Amino acid sequence: AQKVTQAQTEISVVEKEDVTLDCVYETRDTTYYLFWYKQPPSGELVFLIRRNSFDEQNEISGRYSWNFQKSTSSFNFTITASQVVDSAVYFCALNTGFQKLVFGTGTRLLVSP
Amino acid sequence: SAVISQKPSRDICQRGTSLTIQCQVDSQVTMMFWYRQQPGQSLTLIATANQGSEATYESGFVIDKFPISRPNLTFSTLTVSNMSPEDSSIYLCSGHLDAEAFFGQGTRLTVV
Repeated sequence: AQKVTQAQTEISVVEKEDVTLDCVYETRDTTYYLFWYKQPPSGELVFLIRRNSFDEQNEISGRYSWNFQKSTSSFNFTITASQVVDSAVYFCALNTGFQKLVFGTGTRLLVSP
Repeated sequence: SAVISQKPSRDICQRGTSLTIQCQVDSQVTMMFWYRQQPGQSLTLIATANQGSEATYESGFVIDKFPISRPNLTFSTLTVSNMSPEDSSIYLCSGHLDAEAFFGQGTRLTVV
C-alpha cells in the first residue's frame, strides 16, 4: 500500500524566515514518483516539483529546495527567506507511474509580514 | 506538458439538483482522474476516467452519484447527482502524461 504522511498540520513563520515542510512516504514499489504541489486560497493546485525514485539528487529552484532521502523515505521541502505570497497549503504526493496520486494531508503555511 | 481547462470554476446549486463539470486537456493524456477535496481536507480520488468505457470508482464512490464520461483522450465530465450540502467541495480533474500529473483549476461547489 502507498501512503504519504505530512505530520505538520500548520506552520506559522514571519517573513524572511526559512521553513521546512516534511514529507514521509511508504511504498513497496522500486519505481515511483514524488510530487509537491502548492494550493493557494483560490483552490488550484500548482505543480512545484516531481522527483523519480532513481534520482536522489537534491534540487534547488530559486528560494525552493528539496531534499530527497530514500534511506529515510523522506522528501522534504524548504522555502528560504519566506514571503507572504508563500502562504498556502502544500501537498506532498506519491505515485507509481500511471497510477493515481496518493496525497498527504497537507501542511498549511502562514507567513506573516 | 499539458494544460487542463476545467469549468465551471465555481457554482452554487440547490440541493436535489445535478451539476456536470467539464475537463478539457490540450493534449492526449494516458490517464484522467477526478478528485474531491472537502473543506480543509486533502484530495480524495473519486474515480479513474477510462476512455470509451465505464469509470473505475474508489471505495465509497458510486456511479449513480458521480457518473463520469470520457469519450476521447482529451475530454471528461463528472456529474454530481442529487446534490446535498455534504457534496460541497472542490472537485479537480487530473491528467497524467509520462508520469507527470497535471490538474485543472478546480470547481468550487457549494450546495445550499
